[in-house]
Amino acid sequence: AQKVTQAQTEISVVEKEDVTLDCVYETRDTTYYLFWYKQPPSGELVFLIRRNSFDEQNEISGRYSWNFQKSTSSFNFTITASQVVDSAVYFCALSENFGNEKLTFGTGTRLTIIP
Amino acid sequence: NAGVTQTPKFQVLKTGQSMTLQCAQDMNHEYMSWYRQDPGMGLRLIHYSVGAGITDQGEVPNGYNVSRSTTEDFPLRLLSAAPSQTSVYFCVRGVRAILRGQYFGPGTRLTVT
Repeated sequence: AQKVTQAQTEISVVEKEDVTLDCVYETRDTTYYLFWYKQPPSGELVFLIRRNSFDEQNEISGRYSWNFQKSTSSFNFTITASQVVDSAVYFCALSENFGNEKLTFGTGTRLTIIP
Repeated sequence: NAGVTQTPKFQVLKTGQSMTLQCAQDMNHEYMSWYRQDPGMGLRLIHYSVGAGITDQGEVPNGYNVSRSTTEDFPLRLLSAAPSQTSVYFCVRGVRAILRGQYFGPGTRLTVT
């Protein structure tokens, strides 16, 4: 069975600091997809990124970057120069197989950016 | 709203009552699903559908029914509400996972007393 672990329940950092959110996953499949979602205080879930298991290239989008390492089954998310607007709960999720849209979520990491 | 509309936004039910959470999408996507979000447990899949007339169970289907008569609509029915069903419910639309992420509706906060 697949599983996603986000060991950091809550993180607080001072504005402008960098912060990394950890995500460790378990799956028996060789083809799978990893996601990050953001849930701001307003409650909606915002899709941030999707990676497939064949693409281990790190990705950068503005202040956000993602480090995918199959060797350690990790898909970590780094925010550089954090801002108050980054305060949210962040979820990592996994789906197995092509066309299997069922997502298994981690329990989330609540990130608070202190002004 | 990511092309997903959910109604109502808030609902209070008494134990044993039934109700339907409505979900509609305007993107003509084949995939739709329902998740519930509970504190400390992340989001868990209730039911999903890969197209009109096709539904299947997720991780926590007990106490819920779904149907998919059209591509646009995917209602979630609570047959006999229980306090354990107090949660925030999200409806999701998407294309195949390989292409892009899935898009969540704004959520329905349900309280069962």
